[in-house]
Amino acid sequence: EAGVAQSPRYKIIEKRQSVAFWCNPISGHATLYWYQQILGQGPKLLIQFQNNGVVDDSQLPKDRFSAERLKGVDSTLKIQPAKLEDSAVYLCASSFPGVLAVTGQYFGPGTRLTVT
Amino acid sequence: GNSVTQMEGPVTLSEEAFLTINCTYTATGYPSLFWYVQYPGEGLQLLLKATKADDKGSNKGFEATYRKETTSFHLEKGSVQVSDSAVYFCALSDDSSNTGKLIFGQGTTLQVKP
Repeated sequence: EAGVAQSPRYKIIEKRQSVAFWCNPISGHATLYWYQQILGQGPKLLIQFQNNGVVDDSQLPKDRFSAERLKGVDSTLKIQPAKLEDSAVYLCASSFPGVLAVTGQYFGPGTRLTVT
Repeated sequence: GNSVTQMEGPVTLSEEAFLTINCTYTATGYPSLFWYVQYPGEGLQLLLKATKADDKGSNKGFEATYRKETTSFHLEKGSVQVSDSAVYFCALSDDSSNTGKLIFGQGTTLQVKP
């Protein structure tokens, strides 16, 4: 079974530039999550989708971050414009809905973003 | 709000030593509890879980018991190997919201020396 795919794996940009990350979840997983993991901290949820609808985006900085999951499968997370404090690893995860307690979430390898 | 606190790292042990990584939580309701592991260069992997008080999760020689009275979920292993070197994250699910949202601790780095 293929895992959660993310690209690119690494990205270096200057502040005020824009960047986009792509995620392809495990086939059949209706729930998709984007997390931000700053160095030395645990992952923090940015946004959660159920199919192509947003379930929770309470911690997404909406003035600069946006995300979409148009067909309920792949998702894109965008930052525009980037700030120095956005330097982090961006993790995508997916799961079947309603069975988190049994299976947990499956994580991709992440995209490491460096903003200079 | 809900939160998870883990012991500070790094934890450095010799091979075959006993491991304990402390994790305590604050939550309303009855969350499920998880340990995730992140090996160098890889994504987070679910290591073990417990869904109710007194449940014991176990996998690959690791164990953790859901202790409601002490709000703890400490990770233990009787004899660590060099291959266990990784970052370990304790997490809880915010079941009250029924969204599957996970709240993570800050992570504890384990280094096992031969």
